[in-house]
Amino acid sequence: EDQVTQSPEALRLQEGESSSLNCSYTVSGLRGLFWYRQDPGKGPEFLFTLYSAGEEKEKERLKATLTKKESFLHITAPKPEDSATYLCAVQALGGGSQGNLIFGKGTKLSVKP
Amino acid sequence: KAGVTQTPRYLIKTRGQQVTLSCSPISGHRSVSWYQQTPGQGLQFLFEYFSETQRNKGNFPGRFSGRQFSNSRSEMNVSTLELGDSALYLCASSPGLAGPKETQYFGPGTRLLVL
Repeated sequence: EDQVTQSPEALRLQEGESSSLNCSYTVSGLRGLFWYRQDPGKGPEFLFTLYSAGEEKEKERLKATLTKKESFLHITAPKPEDSATYLCAVQALGGGSQGNLIFGKGTKLSVKP
Repeated sequence: KAGVTQTPRYLIKTRGQQVTLSCSPISGHRSVSWYQQTPGQGLQFLFEYFSETQRNKGNFPGRFSGRQFSNSRSEMNVSTLELGDSALYLCASSPGLAGPKETQYFGPGTRLLVL
């Protein structure tokens, strides 16, 4: 069964304290891995897509990496505005359709000033 | 370019009623997917529509249904509402060209409360 597990469930950081979020996945064949950011009461906001092991993407203080079994979202020198829930999702290969996204439960990040 | 829009944003219903939610995708996007988000289960896939046809379906009961119109706008319907249907319902759109590299963009969601 295709599955996505994110850890930790919650993370509290001080402003400027770098850290990483983990996303482990089990999927028969990976079409793509997606990172989204979700603020309370809002829909997920797209951050990155990764397609193959070894791939890396960067955006401001965020950097996403991908291996064959997991992905990491590295946050460098976070600011309070980075506080949000970060969601990881995978899209499996197979079938004629685009394929639905399988989401992890998310990591709730709080950055204190 | 305008993003994905969903209406209404908030809805309160009672058990046994039915509800219809609406989603307008990003201009040019032909695929619309629906997800249910709850604190316990997280985000779960309901179904996907492309060119007015359901192309993919998740593991939800038949009380959950949807449709897509020729302009790619989509509606989902939940009949005989249950307390457990209280959730944030999210719509996501993508070009839907069935290529290997597509990204789904989400709307703000409709918050449904069933009393």
